[in-house]
Amino acid sequence: GAGVSQSPSNKVTEKGKDVELRCDPISGHTALYWYRQSLGQGLEFLIYFQGNSAPDKSGLPSDRFSAERTGGSVSTLTIQRTQQEDSAVYLCASSPGVDTDTQYFGPGTRLTVL
Amino acid sequence: EDQVTQSPEALRLQEGESSSLNCSYTVSGLRGLFWYRQDPGKGPEFLFTLYSAGEEKEKERLKATLTKKESFLHITAPKPEDSATYLCAVKPAGGSYIPTFGRGTSLIVHP
Repeated sequence: GAGVSQSPSNKVTEKGKDVELRCDPISGHTALYWYRQSLGQGLEFLIYFQGNSAPDKSGLPSDRFSAERTGGSVSTLTIQRTQQEDSAVYLCASSPGVDTDTQYFGPGTRLTVL
Repeated sequence: EDQVTQSPEALRLQEGESSSLNCSYTVSGLRGLFWYRQDPGKGPEFLFTLYSAGEEKEKERLKATLTKKESFLHITAPKPEDSATYLCAVKPAGGSYIPTFGRGTSLIVHP
């Protein structure tokens, strides 16, 4: 079946612009994670959605970052007033449920802020 | 604070030369330890989950083992197609579903 998809695959923007990154999880997966991966760094957790519960936003680095998940499926990560340090690969992962530990990752969106 | 340290950062092997990757962790109660493989330009691909000390999992040329402080990913007779970055992550017990990832080990296997 279809895996996790993300769009766009690459995004180049100018400093100060807003960007939206999209994640389509595997159908039926209730858990969805956003991570950021910078060169030579581990995956940095950003935000976690589980079903209809309030999201865990503890990893968002600043109030310029926000995310939503509509209808328990598609998620959008928005970065406002982008900065050069926001340049990274943004990865989305989904998981079947709370008690299921395996995460299925999308291919990521490479964001470059000039 | 949960911590995961992977070593070495990079490893070059000749085809057929077996070796091991290390993942040392500090966590207040372990729910699970995970190994992922990541190819360039792609998202991580799940390999194994280990839940308790002494547990072992195998898949083709890979075997993952777990102790109370570390995990090893043993690669037996590697092939060039095993070249990738291998990531380790831990999830704490007690209700948090947020894993902590290490920085990974970049493995290159030369033919």
